[in-house]
Amino acid sequence: AQTVTQSQPEMSVQEAETVTLSCTYDTSESDYYLFWYKQPPSRQMILVIRQEAYKQQNATENRFSVNFQKAAKSFSLKISDSQLGDAAMYFCAYRSPNSGYSTLTFGKGTMLLVSP
Amino acid sequence: DTGVSQDPRHKITKRGQNVTFRCDPISEHNRLYWYRQTLGQGPEFLTYFQNEAQLEKSRLLSDRFSAERPKGSFSTLEIQRTEQGDSAMYLCASIRGAGANVLTFGAGSRLTVL
Repeated sequence: AQTVTQSQPEMSVQEAETVTLSCTYDTSESDYYLFWYKQPPSRQMILVIRQEAYKQQNATENRFSVNFQKAAKSFSLKISDSQLGDAAMYFCAYRSPNSGYSTLTFGKGTMLLVSP
Repeated sequence: DTGVSQDPRHKITKRGQNVTFRCDPISEHNRLYWYRQTLGQGPEFLTYFQNEAQLEKSRLLSDRFSAERPKGSFSTLEIQRTEQGDSAMYLCASIRGAGANVLTFGAGSRLTVL
C-alpha cells in the first residue's frame, strides 16, 4: 500500500515571502498521480496543483509550483509571494492509476501560518 | 452546479443514537467517495460508489456504518449506535472518470458524539 508522509506539522511564512512544504511518498508503481490540496479552516478542500508521474516537467500554477523528484519519491510544494489567504492546512495526496476505485491517499497535512 | 453539497454541516448527538449524512455530488460525476477526517489527520477513505454501485469499502467502515447511493445521484452515510470514537469530519467527494482528474470535495459534515 502506498503511504504519504508530510514531516512538517506546521510552517510559518511572512507575507510576500516564499515557503516550501515537503512531501514524500512510498510506492512500487512507476505511474501515478500526485496532488496538493488546500483546506482553509471550516471550508472545503480545494486542489492547488497536480502532477503526473510520467511528466518530467514540474507543474506550475501561478504562485504555486512543485519540485517533483521521482527517484527520491519527493513532491514538495513551493508557494511564492505568500498571501494571507494562503493560510490553511495543506495536504499532499497520491493516486494510483491501477486501483479500481482510484482513491486518494493523503498525508497528515501541514498547517501553513501566514503573518503580515 | 455549484459543487458538492453536504448536509448537515454539523451534527451533535448522544452516544448510541443514529445519524445520517447526505451528499449531493456534481451531477455529471459518476464516482462518489466518502472519507473520514479526524483532528490532525488527513482524510481516510471509507467507501466508493460508481454510479449506484458500492464497489469498495475500507476496513474503517464497521458494520455500524452503511452507505447508499440510490439511482446514482445523492448518497447517504448512516452511522448506527454512535460511539465517541465516531466523532470526526465526514467528507464527500465526487469525480468524473479517474486518472489525473480532480476530486471535488464538499465542505464536510462534522459529527460530535457526546
